[in-house]
Amino acid sequence: DTEVTQTPKHLVMGMTNKKSLKCEQHMGHRAMYWYKQKAKKPPELMFVYSYEKLSINESVPSRFSPECPNSSLLNLHLHALQPEDSALYLCASSQARTDLTEAFFGQGTRLTVV
Amino acid sequence: AQSVTQPDIHITVSEGASLELRCNYSYGATPYLFWYVQSPGQGLQLLLKYFSGDTLVQGIKGFEAEFKRSQSSFNLRKPSVHWSDAAEYFCAVGALTDSNYQLIWGAGTKLIIKP
Repeated sequence: DTEVTQTPKHLVMGMTNKKSLKCEQHMGHRAMYWYKQKAKKPPELMFVYSYEKLSINESVPSRFSPECPNSSLLNLHLHALQPEDSALYLCASSQARTDLTEAFFGQGTRLTVV
Repeated sequence: AQSVTQPDIHITVSEGASLELRCNYSYGATPYLFWYVQSPGQGLQLLLKYFSGDTLVQGIKGFEAEFKRSQSSFNLRKPSVHWSDAAEYFCAVGALTDSNYQLIWGAGTKLIIKP
């Protein structure tokens, strides 16, 4: 199984809502990543988790709150988002945070903030 | 500084014609190089990768890429494109930054297929 599964595929939320994005992998990877991708742009790294611990936070606003409950799961909790946060949110995983072999990406969650 | 350049924002190719997408990188050490493809509204799928060894690498969907150290390039090729190849293509370098593995991305090239 070389899949990274993200749910939901689409999400529309108001600026006062609280919602969560979920990501799951069963490849035994110990590094997991959240990326944000705006239209016609490459992905931008948001967070890196290594062995369930936050390793990198790329100066992401606190309205985005990541969580890694176990080695297979990664969540992104959303609260009080702005319309400019509308984007495709991609989850990825790799063997380890120092592993340069490859990252596997999920299909993404298309988020619209209204 | 590490960087990846994809000089073509978009390329239009007739169905059945050959394709070459350009990628140049700047990286101090031996690069780990990747090509990913993204169909509209979808995630990123790895086409191929280069770590070491044979500089011509074969990927999925009939794609190949050639690593040329002297030119700092890793161009993607396909001998005959299909309409289903229309997508955004990203070249990336895998780099260790502060003991963390990060992908340095090019800006992407949009491939348009003419019938």
